[in-house]
Amino acid sequence: EAGVAQSPRYKIIEKRQSVAFWCNPISGHATLYWYQQILGQGPKLLIQFQNNGVVDDSQLPKDRFSAERLKGVDSTLKIQPAKLEDSAVYLCASSLIGNSYEQYFGPGTRLTVT
Amino acid sequence: TQLLEQSPQFLSIQEGENLTVYCNSSSVFSSLQWYRQEPGEGPVLLVTVVTGGEVKKLKRLTFQFGDARKDSSLHITAAQPGDTGLYLCAGAQSGYALNFGKGTSLLVTP
Repeated sequence: EAGVAQSPRYKIIEKRQSVAFWCNPISGHATLYWYQQILGQGPKLLIQFQNNGVVDDSQLPKDRFSAERLKGVDSTLKIQPAKLEDSAVYLCASSLIGNSYEQYFGPGTRLTVT
Repeated sequence: TQLLEQSPQFLSIQEGENLTVYCNSSSVFSSLQWYRQEPGEGPVLLVTVVTGGEVKKLKRLTFQFGDARKDSSLHITAAQPGDTGLYLCAGAQSGYALNFGKGTSLLVTP
């Protein structure tokens, strides 16, 4: 069974530039999560989708971050404009509906903002 | 606010030693998960505990959920270099959002 796919794996941008990350969850997983993991910390939930609807985006900085999951499968997370403090690993995870206790994570995208 | 406090933050031991890492909170969780994360990879789920006092074993790893469902521990027997990684605990409260601790970084040297 294929795992959660993410791209790109690494991205370096200058502050005030824009960047987008892509995630393809495990087939059949209706729930998709985006996390931000700053060096030395645990992952922090940014947004949770169930199918193509948003369940929780309370910790998403909506002035610069946006995410969509138009067809209930793939998802993109965008940052515009980026700040230095956005440097982190962005993790995507997926789970079956009603089973968010068992989340499967992708390898992440390491973003460096200079 | 960090809901889950993990200790120690760093641990360096030699192969064959035993160790315990802790995950503590003042909040009650409906379930608690332990993950291991290797450099450049996402966290991988090791175990989920849901019942207060529950003990689960996974080969050389023993997980315990506190009676009050506020804390948990992970004990590794006879650690091996392959156990090296970041151990994260995550708790679920209302709804489905997971709250992660900062993790314990374990290094096992041959």
